[in-house]
Amino acid sequence: DAGVTQSPTHLIKTRGQQVTLRCSPKSGHDTVSWYQQALGQGPQFIFQYYEEEERQRGNFPDRFSGHQFPNYSSELNVNALLLGDSALYLCASSPPRHLMNTEAFFGQGTRLTVV
Amino acid sequence: AQTVTQSQPEMSVQEAETVTLSCTYDTSESNYYLFWYKQPPSRQMILVIRQEAYKQQNATENRFSVNFQKAAKSFSLKISDSQLGDTAMYFCAFIHGGSQGNLIFGKGTKLSVKP
Repeated sequence: DAGVTQSPTHLIKTRGQQVTLRCSPKSGHDTVSWYQQALGQGPQFIFQYYEEEERQRGNFPDRFSGHQFPNYSSELNVNALLLGDSALYLCASSPPRHLMNTEAFFGQGTRLTVV
Repeated sequence: AQTVTQSQPEMSVQEAETVTLSCTYDTSESNYYLFWYKQPPSRQMILVIRQEAYKQQNATENRFSVNFQKAAKSFSLKISDSQLGDTAMYFCAFIHGGSQGNLIFGKGTKLSVKP
């Protein structure tokens, strides 16, 4: 079992550019959540995808958008990058709801640096 | 709104000794789960231990145990027989029972285990 995989591991972008981060969930999981972790802080919830739709959203602007594909993998897109978007972006996957298991498995994250 | 507070930014412990990390949380919900996650320098968030709010018995996982005080909204983590590999950031996290993946994290405690 490969667990949750994210790509790329590191990324450097310029202010104003757009970026796409990718996540493949753990086998058997159908829900994907994205988190932003600024340096020295705990992760902050961005949004969650289930059945190819955004189900929950945290306090992030519309510049942050996402997508979930039929195979449950997901993308996080950030437009008009700001210096403050520099952070570690974590993807977490969760098992199907009927299993009543709230445990989330995390990937190793993508380190985004905006210059 | 739910909040999670970790009041100890950094802690250190000698190898083989015991250390306790503190966490308090605030919620008006009665159905929720609490977690301790470990984040080593590899960045991957690893689940250490989980506690269901409806269970009175404190969770234990090998050298890791919690002291869950529901009335006080306190959830501390005790690490016994500390090992060098326990060196990491430790995050306390909360999730509403009806949610899936929308974790609320504290700011973390940096634990250093010294030989």
